[in-house]
Amino acid sequence: EVQLVESGGGLVQPGGSLRLSCAASRFTFSSYTMNWVRQAPGKGLEWVSYISSSSSTIYYADSVKGRFTISRDNAKNSLYLQMNSLRAEDTAVYYCASSRMIAVAGTWGDYFDYWGQGTLVTVSS
Amino acid sequence: SSELTQDPAVSVALGQTVRITCQGDSLRIYYASWYQQKPGQAPVLVIYGKNNRPSGIPDRFSGSSSGNTASLTITGAQAEDEADYYCNSRDSSGNHLVFGGGTKLTVL
Repeated sequence: EVQLVESGGGLVQPGGSLRLSCAASRFTFSSYTMNWVRQAPGKGLEWVSYISSSSSTIYYADSVKGRFTISRDNAKNSLYLQMNSLRAEDTAVYYCASSRMIAVAGTWGDYFDYWGQGTLVTVSS
Repeated sequence: SSELTQDPAVSVALGQTVRITCQGDSLRIYYASWYQQKPGQAPVLVIYGKNNRPSGIPDRFSGSSSGNTASLTITGAQAEDEADYYCNSRDSSGNHLVFGGGTKLTVL
């Protein structure tokens, strides 16, 4: 069974930094696009960032662009999220999730097939 | 604000059929995917593509799409289907993924 295990969450002061990691096992990590998705307490899901299998394509949500950096190490089966200039509104459970794409008759779409259990990031003084 | 709009809450009687909708201009171009999330748990993929179910998802879950609206239908809702449901797709630019605001499903 595929496993994605996040780590690195914790309490950090506003303006501080934190690096999240996601360790993947039991699937071909290097073949998968990976993402970070977050969920603030009592709120909905928010997509944060996307990285293609070779790291050639990277996207960020507008809310984190310029502050967060996604990266991966396929040799270590690991995904990372470097978070700088943290704000109170970044407080959330952060999930890593693998994604794939399906295309049928000219229409296509992404889907998140595997998810980790999440790591809590709290930004507070 | 989300580019995908969902009703905040929907209820259904046990054993009845319920449809959860997701509206957005990008759904004219891209498929939506659907996720079930129960309290304290990670989301679980239930529908992707035109109408595909991952292994282990009951066949009472189905998906459809028309124009700018994607729908998740649960035929014969069970007590264990009570959860939050989220749709996801790309935005109109294609460079961002976006979730709907979520629909809380109550099974009466």
